[in-house]
Amino acid sequence: EAQVTQNPRYLITVTGKKLTVTCSQNMNHEYMSWYRQDPGLGLRQIYYSMNVEVTDKGDVPEGYKVSRKEKRNFPLILESPSPNQTSLYFCASKEGQGMGTQYFGPGTRLLVL
Amino acid sequence: SQKIEQNSEALNIQEGKTATLTCNYTNYSPAYLQWYRQDPGRGPVFLLLIRENEKEKRKERLKVTFDTTLKQSLFHITASQPADSATYLCAISNDYKLSFGAGTTVTVRA
Repeated sequence: EAQVTQNPRYLITVTGKKLTVTCSQNMNHEYMSWYRQDPGLGLRQIYYSMNVEVTDKGDVPEGYKVSRKEKRNFPLILESPSPNQTSLYFCASKEGQGMGTQYFGPGTRLLVL
Repeated sequence: SQKIEQNSEALNIQEGKTATLTCNYTNYSPAYLQWYRQDPGRGPVFLLLIRENEKEKRKERLKVTFDTTLKQSLFHITASQPADSATYLCAISNDYKLSFGAGTTVTVRA
């Protein structure tokens, strides 16, 4: 089944404790992206990657890092999480670099205390 | 600054009626516009895409219009059903970046 998976689905952590949220897709998509969703603000793009070893900032990249060493994986790293990073995070992928449908993962709900 | 605005209020409609959702944007020149559906606790699911040179697109009971002069897209759900209850997101894209509106929550009453 074609899908985007994220782990963990739920995470409670404390300020400053580094964490990684994994994202994997099995559709051989070149493009992958991370979003955060907050009430009233909608989905905002954090980082995106057009291909292996090619990443770029979205609209809200501060406090996040990403890497794209393999086509299928695109982990999101919070080096020193803060309470304002409490949010619902979605990973997405799409074929190619042009117009196209984005396929979203199930989401990771993060609470930073 | 760039903005994407959707109906600020939730939409409550009677089963069988048509729901019309609005997406207005400023300071974008989108190559295309997409609509997604999101159910509580789940990731968005793609519904329709319309290009800048298209006026209207249909898929089953869904219809999207795109007016680049008015900088507006309308999303219609005809013959609505309770299963259509969800949040609908408008998204604007220029290939690499996808920018979303905050969404409009639709509730269809039986």
